[in-house]
Amino acid sequence: QKEVEQNSGPLSVPEGAIASLNCTYSDRGSQSFFWYRQYSGKSPELIMSIYSNGDKEDGRFTAQLNKASQYVSLLIRDSQPSDSATYLCAVNIRGGGADGLTFGKGTHLIIQP
Amino acid sequence: DGGITQSPKYLFRKEGQNVTLSCEQNLNHDAMYWYRQDPGQGLRLIYYSQIVNDFQKGDIAEGYSVSREKKESFPLTVTSAQKNPTAFYLCASNPLVHSNQPQHFGDGTRLSIL
Repeated sequence: QKEVEQNSGPLSVPEGAIASLNCTYSDRGSQSFFWYRQYSGKSPELIMSIYSNGDKEDGRFTAQLNKASQYVSLLIRDSQPSDSATYLCAVNIRGGGADGLTFGKGTHLIIQP
Repeated sequence: DGGITQSPKYLFRKEGQNVTLSCEQNLNHDAMYWYRQDPGQGLRLIYYSQIVNDFQKGDIAEGYSVSREKKESFPLTVTSAQKNPTAFYLCASNPLVHSNQPQHFGDGTRLSIL
């Protein structure tokens, strides 16, 4: 069974600090990696996508990918109360890009004012 | 506005009843997907379709059926064979040509048993 693993949390971070979210995946052949944010009762919203090793920055968000370690992370700088949500890691494990994503169970992030 | 429209937002199913969830997209995307989310869980793939009149089973297809008669529409039927249908159902799409592009989701349908 090919899997995506995340710590379910809750992860509690003070406002203004850096929140670090981690994800591991089982299939070395995975090519595409995504972070989605999901507020309670709402549908997932894409935050970041990353395809090659290294860091990718977009505003306060940085995605990091290490294919050798099968590890992808999301850093949120200057955390705000509005960042409180569940963050889902998604990986294209099936091979073909259009074959559907495999999701972790999500990390519940709480930003403390 | 371009996007994915799911309806209804809330749906209730009686014992032994089939219900159909609607998903329509005007993004001209080739690929469409259905996921199920249970409380505190990630999304699990039910069915997906890369082209009209063709679809494939995902990880949890039992008790569900789909059709893809038009590019913009991918309805999901939850049959009476699905004994635990209570969940949040999400439809997604992405362009097949750039298949590594991320999927974007509709607002979801919340299904409950009466």
